[in-house]
Amino acid sequence: EPEVTQTPSHQVTQMGQEVILRCVPISNHLYFYWYRQILGQKVEFLVSFYNNEISEKSEIFDDQFSVERPDGSNFTLKIRSTKLEDSAMYFCASRPDPQKLFFGSGTQLSVL
Amino acid sequence: QQQVKQSPQSLIVQKGGISIINCAYENTAFDYFPWYQQFPGKGPALLIAIRPDVSEKKEGRFTISFNKSAKQFSLHIMDSQPGDSATYFCAAWGGSGNTGKLIFGQGTTLQVKP
Repeated sequence: EPEVTQTPSHQVTQMGQEVILRCVPISNHLYFYWYRQILGQKVEFLVSFYNNEISEKSEIFDDQFSVERPDGSNFTLKIRSTKLEDSAMYFCASRPDPQKLFFGSGTQLSVL
Repeated sequence: QQQVKQSPQSLIVQKGGISIINCAYENTAFDYFPWYQQFPGKGPALLIAIRPDVSEKKEGRFTISFNKSAKQFSLHIMDSQPGDSATYFCAAWGGSGNTGKLIFGQGTTLQVKP
């Protein structure tokens, strides 16, 4: 069964460093998302992406965040200068046209 | 209002019992209500979903009950098993077309005791 693939599964970085989280969405899906989950809390929407541009972003998704689909398969989330409060599990998700969202297993980001 | 409120925060059920998790929403424009199951270290996985024109949907041991007038919906897990122990999130789909997104409830940690 097709699945959303995320790498790395764990990322440790120093505060102020740049990180790039990578995702390979399901191949025939058109819409792409990043969500995050701080330990023990709910899953929060960050950004949605369609047709090579951001469709919607939350207030969490400030100028330190960016997304890119550099080729036909990868979808990345970049955090330019990480802060302690960026420590969370980041989930990539994708969907075909209907509303059924498929999530990857996540990247656990730890900012020290 | 873009919130989805979920209760209880945690639930302990004996094997064979019924687990019930409740959610409420405010925005009547929401038009799709899925439940996701999440195991530790994994991403949320779609379990079952319902649209507001239906009052109940059943898939195996999992049933969603939907009350449109009350703006509430619930997940019932019949004959709960230890393997059902996980965190369950209700969600609602807000927006349309390119701007659609899922809005999650706070999650319920279910423990099914053998």
